[in-house]
Amino acid sequence: AQRVTQPEKLLSVFKGAPVELKCNYSYSGSPELFWYVQYSRQRLQLLLRHISRESIKGFTADLNKGETSFHLKKPFAQEEDSAMYYCALSGPGNNDMRFGAGTRLTVKP
Amino acid sequence: NAGVTQTPKFQVLKTGQSMTLQCAQDMNHEYMSWYRQDPGMGLRLIHYSVGAGITDQGEVPNGYNVSRSTTEDFPLRLLSAAPSQTSVYFCASSQHVGGRGYTFGSGTRLTVV
Repeated sequence: AQRVTQPEKLLSVFKGAPVELKCNYSYSGSPELFWYVQYSRQRLQLLLRHISRESIKGFTADLNKGETSFHLKKPFAQEEDSAMYYCALSGPGNNDMRFGAGTRLTVKP
Repeated sequence: NAGVTQTPKFQVLKTGQSMTLQCAQDMNHEYMSWYRQDPGMGLRLIHYSVGAGITDQGEVPNGYNVSRSTTEDFPLRLLSAAPSQTSVYFCASSQHVGGRGYTFGSGTRLTVV
């Protein structure tokens, strides 16, 4: 069964500090992994996907197949990064994308 | 380019009432889906469609119906509303499942009293 676990419901850091949002998954095969972000009163939007190996708004995420993790990182958090972050997984051939429970990030001034 | 449009944005229903949440996309996406968002549970898939005329159940389909008569529209019907269906509902679309990621609508906040 495919499952996404985000162990932290809440995460709080100070502006300028590094931030890491954890995501672990279980999937028997080669998954496609994504991070979505939801800013206050806005719709969910795609932040980044592992297959493109991109950096968006200073965020990066590396797929670690050995540890089945896809943690989201940013070296210097900004106040505008405060939002809800969801990790999501989709498997090739699956008509289904599974989301984690989400982590609410607060960046304090 | 409107993307994914959901209506209404807010709705209050009485237990036992029925209603339809509308979702339309103008990107010619084949894949559309409905999720509900609940605190501490993230987004859970209700129903999805891989193309016009094709629908299937997701993780939490009970109490909901869908149809896909056109590529653009994917309405979600609540047959007999229950307080447990109080949630925020999101419609999403994509060229295909996963892929480049989903485009989400702005959500419908539903309260069942």
